[in-house]
Amino acid sequence: DAGVIQSPRHEVTEMGQEVTLRCKPISGHNSLFWYRQTMMRGLELLIYFNNNVPIDDSGMPEDRFSAKMPNASFSTLKIQPSEPRDSAVYFCASSPWTGGGEAFFGQGTRLTVV
Amino acid sequence: QQQVKQSPQSLIVQKGGISIINCAYENTAFDYFPWYQQFPGKGPALLIAIRPDVSEKKEGRFTISFNKSAKQFSLHIMDSQPGDSATYFCAATYSGNTPLVFGKGTRLSVIA
Repeated sequence: DAGVIQSPRHEVTEMGQEVTLRCKPISGHNSLFWYRQTMMRGLELLIYFNNNVPIDDSGMPEDRFSAKMPNASFSTLKIQPSEPRDSAVYFCASSPWTGGGEAFFGQGTRLTVV
Repeated sequence: QQQVKQSPQSLIVQKGGISIINCAYENTAFDYFPWYQQFPGKGPALLIAIRPDVSEKKEGRFTISFNKSAKQFSLHIMDSQPGDSATYFCAATYSGNTPLVFGKGTRLSVIA
């Protein structure tokens, strides 16, 4: 299995632009998570899906952030408009359980907003 | 209730020494406690995990010690090697529809 695949690996964008991060979870996994990692706040959960349905988006910092999972093999995290404080590494992870177990992480997308 | 507190923030250990990282939690409903290892430029990867029905779990040089009454668990790395230099995260969750809650991480440096 190729593991969780995220794209792009790096993204540099100007403030105000729309940014879309993509994730392909491991085939057969029921749950998908989006995390943001910064030095100050560590790994923060933004949103998670069970069986393609968003369960908890309370970690999404603002309305500028949105996430979708149109099918079991694809998810997107969109930031519109982007701001410099959104600069971070964004991780997607998937799990074979509906919560309560191991999560497998992708390589992350390093986002820089200038 | 959902926090997991991890210490220290950073740790420097001599090659061959023992690295110890500690975590504490509040939510007594947590029943799965993994440790993740992250190398620069990579995503976190599961290292070892424990459930509260045992007090210790060992895999090679890595051991988790779990104290249910104190609501604490720790990672011990025996015979630490330079290749162990990474950031380590403790986490917790409970059965059901909940994702992992992570500690803030510990940056371990093993020096020769």
